[in-house]
Amino acid sequence: GENVEQHPSTLSVQEGDSAVIKCTYSDSASNYFPWYKQELGKGPQLIIDIRSNVGEKKDQRIAVTLNKTAKHFSLHITETQPEDSAVYFCAASIRSNFGNEKLTFGTGTRLTIIP
Amino acid sequence: DAGITQSPRHKVTETGTPVTLRCHQTENHRYMYWYRQDPGHGLRLIHYSYGVKDTDKGEVSDGYSVSRSKTEDFLLTLESATSSQTSVYFCAITKAGGRYNEQFFGPGTRLTVL
Repeated sequence: GENVEQHPSTLSVQEGDSAVIKCTYSDSASNYFPWYKQELGKGPQLIIDIRSNVGEKKDQRIAVTLNKTAKHFSLHITETQPEDSAVYFCAASIRSNFGNEKLTFGTGTRLTIIP
Repeated sequence: DAGITQSPRHKVTETGTPVTLRCHQTENHRYMYWYRQDPGHGLRLIHYSYGVKDTDKGEVSDGYSVSRSKTEDFLLTLESATSSQTSVYFCAITKAGGRYNEQFFGPGTRLTVL
């Protein structure tokens, strides 16, 4: 099955600087790559996603890049703010025979923004 | 929050007892999922449902069963709870018809098996 590795496990960044989180996946059939943000005591929240036919996608201060050949994708957060502090998860997905996405998650990155 | 509620939100039980967790959604979504979240493992898929009475296994399904007798409810049952099933359990739904069938998560249930 799919295996997703995520690095680093913890990341501290000065407020205003950029943060980058990287993930690799193993199954070349994976074609959908969402990123989730999880705040303490809450469920994961989808923040951005990318399909395998796209190399880069941006939404305000966050962007995701995908390299299908190397099987890796990254989350970039620019101009970090204290409210960006959370745990971030990447995931890779294969469409099931029933039409839904079966997600395999990375192990998470705890991002701390230092004021 | 995609109209998802989970009950109970917290539960403490003893080894060997049966436990049922409930996921309820109000927006008639076709696909529903159960995940468990453990430190160092991220989220792992237990079971999912693609319609009423239609379910399939995920990567960590041993020791768990599910049922979906109506669209709005997806039940996760631990027939005989073990300490290794102490975890936070999340229900999710797919908003079919969305751009890429994104998954949205409920608030979670913290289960402790003593």
